[in-house]
Amino acid sequence: GENVEQHPSTLSVQEGDSAVIKCTYSDSASNYFPWYKQELGKRPQLIIDIRSNVGEKKDQRIAVTLNKTAKHFSLHITETQPEDSAVYFCAASVPGGGADGLTFGKGTHLIIQP
Amino acid sequence: NAGVTQTPKFQVLKTGQSMTLQCAQDMNHEYMSWYRQDPGMGLRLIHYSVGAGITDQGEVPNGYNVSRSTTEDFPLRLLSAAPSQTSVYFCASSHRYPDRGFTEAFFGQGTRLTVV
Repeated sequence: GENVEQHPSTLSVQEGDSAVIKCTYSDSASNYFPWYKQELGKRPQLIIDIRSNVGEKKDQRIAVTLNKTAKHFSLHITETQPEDSAVYFCAASVPGGGADGLTFGKGTHLIIQP
Repeated sequence: NAGVTQTPKFQVLKTGQSMTLQCAQDMNHEYMSWYRQDPGMGLRLIHYSVGAGITDQGEVPNGYNVSRSTTEDFPLRLLSAAPSQTSVYFCASSHRYPDRGFTEAFFGQGTRLTVV
């Protein structure tokens, strides 16, 4: 099955700086790559996603890039703010909706230093 | 629109007790799943269902049962609780299309379970 590796496990950046979180996946057939944000004590919520026919997607301060050849995708957050502090999860799934659904990375704890 | 409703929010069980975590969604999603979240382990799939009457095991199914009698409901049963099942449990649902795969997964609020 699919295996998703996520790095780093903890990332501390100064407020206003950029943050980058990277994920690699093992199944070259994977075609859907969402990113979830989980605030302390809350449920994970989708912040951005990308499909394999697109190389990059942006939504205000957040962007995701996908390199299918290298089988990796990254989350970029610019002009970080205190409310960006959270745990971020990447995930991948195969086309045709592989029945076991989304495979998640182990998460990155993003800390925004004031 | 309620989305995914999961109950209870907190639960303490004694070793050997059984209980059911409830999950309901009102988005007519075909796909529903249960995850457990442990520190440093991310979200691990326990069981999933691709539609009413169809369930299957995920990565960590031992000690848990599920059923899917309706599209809306997907309860998770702990048969005989053990301390190793102390965790935060999330139910999720999404669409699953044969051609393009999954869409956004919506999560319930989570259940913090402690087994003593």
